[in-house]
Amino acid sequence: DTAVSQTPKYLVTQMGNDKSIKCEQNLGHDTMYWYKQDSKKFLKIMFSYNNKELIINETVPNRFSPKSPDKAHLNLHINSLELGDSAVYFCASSQGFGSTDTQYFGPGTRLTVL
Amino acid sequence: QKEVEQDPGPLSVPEGAIVSLNCTYSNSAFQYFMWYRQYSRKGPELLMYTYSSGNKEDGRFTAQVDKSSKYISLFIRDSQPSDSATYLCAMTKAGGTSYGKLTFGQGTILTVHP
Repeated sequence: DTAVSQTPKYLVTQMGNDKSIKCEQNLGHDTMYWYKQDSKKFLKIMFSYNNKELIINETVPNRFSPKSPDKAHLNLHINSLELGDSAVYFCASSQGFGSTDTQYFGPGTRLTVL
Repeated sequence: QKEVEQDPGPLSVPEGAIVSLNCTYSNSAFQYFMWYRQYSRKGPELLMYTYSSGNKEDGRFTAQVDKSSKYISLFIRDSQPSDSATYLCAMTKAGGTSYGKLTFGQGTILTVHP
């Protein structure tokens, strides 16, 4: 039983297209995150939601728009894809957003923009 | 300069060796420190978590924090081929100000060969 799942696992698309990545967690957690991991393995937070409310919004282009329809889901929509968007995107969840709340990561979505 | 610096390696050691992985950080507001392990094509998973300066041991793994030097380490004793992975240090501020935001190091790629 996968705790944090993402779809799709791989996404190959052309520059300028719009795409979405979906994330679901079955842990009953209140907080969900999106991270971006570049080709050098550097992992950086993009967004965080707690009880469907945005609590972290790092310096991310407006082309990226997260949406949380409910506590168990956090989707990421990307408009007008650029070459630099190629990366692995990880969803994560935690019970709360305190310093001691363990974050559980999904398997990642490998996005390639051609 | 990044807030968290980690030698990306790669690091290659023979089975049974003691491995030392290190991170330095510049932000003295960081109070909680974590090590994540990431196997190839998988999401990161929490390995160890520490708060105070000193050592914390869990089986073959020891996490060490020196807040005065802004330096953290992870030691792996009797390393095994199954330890081959990327190890990411992560840290966060105390209390509610963090909102769950983890700041990661670049990750060190470790290979343990039989």
